[in-house]
Amino acid sequence: KQEVTQIPAALSVPEGENLVLNCSFTDSAIYNLQWFRQDPGKGLTSLLLIQSSQREQTSGRLNASLDKSSGRSTLYIAASQPGDSATYLCAAMNYGGSQGNLIFGKGTKLSVKP
Amino acid sequence: EPEVTQTPSHQVTQMGQEVILRCVPISNHLYFYWYRQILGQKVEFLVSFYNNEISEKSEIFDDQFSVERPDGSNFTLKIRSTKLEDSAMYFCASSPTVQGANYGYTFGSGTRLTVV
Repeated sequence: KQEVTQIPAALSVPEGENLVLNCSFTDSAIYNLQWFRQDPGKGLTSLLLIQSSQREQTSGRLNASLDKSSGRSTLYIAASQPGDSATYLCAAMNYGGSQGNLIFGKGTKLSVKP
Repeated sequence: EPEVTQTPSHQVTQMGQEVILRCVPISNHLYFYWYRQILGQKVEFLVSFYNNEISEKSEIFDDQFSVERPDGSNFTLKIRSTKLEDSAMYFCASSPTVQGANYGYTFGSGTRLTVV
């Protein structure tokens, strides 16, 4: 059974700081890994998708890496801004079953202080 | 950019009542999903749907739950007799391919269900 863990659960940083959010998964046989952003009481916005054959993906100030062998992914946010404040979720794409294909971590709640 | 649309955004219902949550997936997507998130908890898989039938379902998705694609655009989740513990945010998602290969999943903005 796939388990996805995100550390830390919460993070508070001053504006402008670079930061790293961590995601680990127990079953390395994933199909891909997706990072989402969730604002309070809102839906899930896809940020980045990394295929299992890729090592990283970049979008603007965001860079996500994937190391399947160690069961880890990181989301790097450069030059953080108050608008980046949200909960960031990672989700590992498995090969189906009763867990479904996409298994989520609990998220890291990021607060960027002006 | 194409969106997954969910209605209503918030539904309050009495315990024991039936509710139907509605979703309009992205038009060229073939795979549809329902997930839920109890306040403060992880997003959990409920069910996946392809070619007018359920592909996978979780242990949560018991006989009280059902899904339907009544026409070419809508995808619904029905809870027959709601319980207090069904209170959660329900998310619909769609993908063009199985396991979201190359595209990932696109999620709607959710329906917050409150059972009183």
